[in-house]
Amino acid sequence: NAGVTQTPKFQVLKTGQSMTLQCAQDMNHNSMYWYRQDPGMGLRLIYYSASEGTTDKGEVPNGYNVSRLNKREFSLRLESAAPSQTSVYFCASSEHTGGGTEAFFGQGTRLTVV
Amino acid sequence: GQQVMQIPQYQHVQEGEDFTTYCNSSTTLSNIQWYKQRPGGHPVFLIQLVKSGEVKKQKRLTFQFGEAKKNSSLHITATQTTDVGTYFCAGSGTYKYIFGTGTRLKVLA
Repeated sequence: NAGVTQTPKFQVLKTGQSMTLQCAQDMNHNSMYWYRQDPGMGLRLIYYSASEGTTDKGEVPNGYNVSRLNKREFSLRLESAAPSQTSVYFCASSEHTGGGTEAFFGQGTRLTVV
Repeated sequence: GQQVMQIPQYQHVQEGEDFTTYCNSSTTLSNIQWYKQRPGGHPVFLIQLVKSGEVKKQKRLTFQFGEAKKNSSLHITATQTTDVGTYFCAGSGTYKYIFGTGTRLKVLA
């Protein structure tokens, strides 16, 4: 069972470079999420997609864009990376948004912007 | 906006001692979930609480949801080295799952 798969696992970018983080889930979940995790800050929601074809901003959306390509895939794009975006990024999925269903997380992408 | 705070931020305990982490929300929650993240790993779902005053147990772990549904706690009895990690609470709100800041537990053998 793959669950939630994120690629890449590690990435180093130079300031100003762009990149896309990929996420795919095989559980037929409706909702998908992107979080960033910084020391002492917990998990902060960047964007989420309640269902295929919809996306909404979370707590910290600035500097990011997302695409819900289909029901399985939800990508996160950094158009012009900044050192402040150095973080661990987690993709997650759940059957529905909000409470009531557990969230399943990918392994994470460790991104460093120099 | 809605905030979920957890205390303490860090806790070191001797193996065999008890441990408790507290979660407080600025608004009433419809439910609360708890997750565990091992060092270098990703968050993994532990449990969900829905009812006011609800108490659930999983072996040595006891989870409680406050009467006002604005706070929750996780208590571990007789910690073991396998309990090491960061424990997060998550409440549902405007931004869906709003995670607390987490409590990092270190267990000294």
